[in-house]
Amino acid sequence: EAEVAQSPRYKITEKSQAVAFWCDPISGHATLYWYRQILGQGPELLVQFQDESVVDDSQLPKDRFSAERLKGVDSTLKIQPAELGDSAMYLCASRQRISAQETQYFGPGTRLLVL
Amino acid sequence: KQEVTQIPAALSVPEGENLVLNCSFTDSAIYNLQWFRQDPGKGLTSLLLIQSSQREQTSGRLNASLDKSSGRSTLYIAASQPGDSATYLCAVKALSGGGADGLTFGKGTHLIIQP
Repeated sequence: EAEVAQSPRYKITEKSQAVAFWCDPISGHATLYWYRQILGQGPELLVQFQDESVVDDSQLPKDRFSAERLKGVDSTLKIQPAELGDSAMYLCASRQRISAQETQYFGPGTRLLVL
Repeated sequence: KQEVTQIPAALSVPEGENLVLNCSFTDSAIYNLQWFRQDPGKGLTSLLLIQSSQREQTSGRLNASLDKSSGRSTLYIAASQPGDSATYLCAVKALSGGGADGLTFGKGTHLIIQP
């Protein structure tokens, strides 16, 4: 069964450093989402792509976060510089373009710890 | 802004009991509602998706209901098993223009089934 791939699975960094996370959605899925989940909370949407275009980045802290999906397939989320409050699980999800009724499929996540 | 609340935050019951998890949302203009399961340190697995026009969905021992007008959903788990231990998250997809359809999540209910 196809899955959403994410790497790395775990990342430890010091504050003020740059970090990057990678996501490869299920083949053929045109819509891609990045969520952030702080421990004990539900996931919160950071950015949504349709193919290579950003559909919604209203909750993305643009002073330090950036996201791209250059060829409309895999995606990278970057934080520069990282802050202590960025420690969280970063989840990537995807769904097919055809049916908005379909569920989003989530990857295993990247757990970030900022020291 | 849509807000999703889940009650209780945590629940511990003996194996074999039937149980109900509750979810409420503030804006009834939703496209659909989903229940997800999350195991510790892992991504999310979709359990049930209810379209706004539906009243309930069933999958095995799970039954989810939706009352859109009152802003409520319940997840019923029959004959609970230790393997059901996980965090259960409720999420709604809003009706919105422009193609933005990120999910709004509750904080989850942490469920423990005692053997």
